[in-house]
Amino acid sequence: QVQLVQSGAEVKKPGASVKVSCKASGYTFTSYYIHWVRQAPGQGLEWMGVIYPSVGTTSYALKFQGRVTMTRDTSTSTVYMELSSLRSKDTAVYYCARAGYRSPLDYWGQGTPVTVSS
Amino acid sequence: DIQMTQSPSSLSASVGDRVTITCRASQSIATYLNWYQQKPGKAPKLLISAASSLQSGVPSRFSGSGSGTDFTLTISSLQPEDFATYYCQQSYSSLMFTFGQGTKLEI
Repeated sequence: QVQLVQSGAEVKKPGASVKVSCKASGYTFTSYYIHWVRQAPGQGLEWMGVIYPSVGTTSYALKFQGRVTMTRDTSTSTVYMELSSLRSKDTAVYYCARAGYRSPLDYWGQGTPVTVSS
Repeated sequence: DIQMTQSPSSLSASVGDRVTITCRASQSIATYLNWYQQKPGKAPKLLISAASSLQSGVPSRFSGSGSGTDFTLTISSLQPEDFATYYCQQSYSSLMFTFGQGTKLEI
């Protein structure tokens, strides 16, 4: 069965970086996009960006360009999302999710809480 | 970027009610519109894809319609487990998804 398993909760200080992993299993890793979505406490879903593991192509939301980097390791079927220059407003649950081309986010990771606090 | 505007942002209803949530795109997205349900502390769950295609296992009281820029999610007879937050999302732009701001459905 398809599974996306994310790394555990993180606590970071302002100005630091965080790197969250998302390990895929149960399907052909290189055939689907992996998107990252975050949700601040009490807020809605915010799309951050996407990576196509087959070739490593990425696209980021304008808001995060320059601060986010998405990479993949095809040998372990793992995608990484690194967010730098963290501030308190980055406190959120970060989700990875799978999608085909122009398709919905059909499988989601369990979410990784990231807390940014001094 | 394609903007998605959902309304209402919150909705009070009772068990058995029929409710409709609307979603409008800032440009035509054909039928590349998806609906998700999210309960507190959980990841979103895909309910409807391609504007009207019900996902396997989703009760038939859920339905979706629309094309172009205007879309609706309808729940024909609310059940206690339906009280949650609902989001629309466009997948027309494959490398730049966007979500609506969400509709919180409350008792």
